[in-house]
Amino acid sequence: DIVMTQSPDSLAVSLGERATINCKSSQSVLYSSNNKNYLSWYQQKPGQPPKLLIYWASTRESGVPDRFSGSGSGTDFTLTISSLQAEDVAVYYCQQYYTSPCSFGQGTNLEIK
Amino acid sequence: QVQLVQSGAEVKKPGASVKVSCKASGYTFTSYSVHWVRQAPGQGLEWMGIINPSGGTTDYAQRFQGRVTMTRDTSTSTVSMSLSSLRSEDTAVYYCARDQGLGFNFFDYWGQGTLVTVSS
Repeated sequence: DIVMTQSPDSLAVSLGERATINCKSSQSVLYSSNNKNYLSWYQQKPGQPPKLLIYWASTRESGVPDRFSGSGSGTDFTLTISSLQAEDVAVYYCQQYYTSPCSFGQGTNLEIK
Repeated sequence: QVQLVQSGAEVKKPGASVKVSCKASGYTFTSYSVHWVRQAPGQGLEWMGIINPSGGTTDYAQRFQGRVTMTRDTSTSTVSMSLSSLRSEDTAVYYCARDQGLGFNFFDYWGQGTLVTVSS
């Protein structure tokens, strides 16, 4: 099974500043035949289900603000929020869907400093 | 618009079974697989399995094999997840989530969640 490890577990960033969350997979999630990374990012606010932000490692879901971006390939990935807004306070999860069982990172709790 | 509406909260005793349903609307039911994911209190997300509503085929996470059953009813566009031999560690919010396709992809829509509490 592929293990997903996020860092840090918790992060406090000032409003308007950049937030960076890292995700590492125990094996590559890059499918060579289509050159796609099978990696997504979700945002979960308290009492709500997760919400899809990014898929294929860097494609922003429709309606997601452009301050959210994803990057990386193979085993190392990053979610960046370019200018933190109050409504971005949440837990963020990465997920690999390269193979079954799909797996999630442990989550990163993002707060305002 | 796409919606996944789940059944209500459940309280069960250890050893019992629970069935959670997820009614889909706003899209062609048989064109998208559905996953089940659970989240214990204060914990992360755990994938349980996937069902293809077209043929009814399933793929379960190994740790739930033998205890979980996922079914679908195409006449009502509903998928269900049953979990047996419940123990306190199964207390969690259970989510259904739509796959982006019929394969094994990211999850583009989620149900609101169903809290299952296992307590004597």
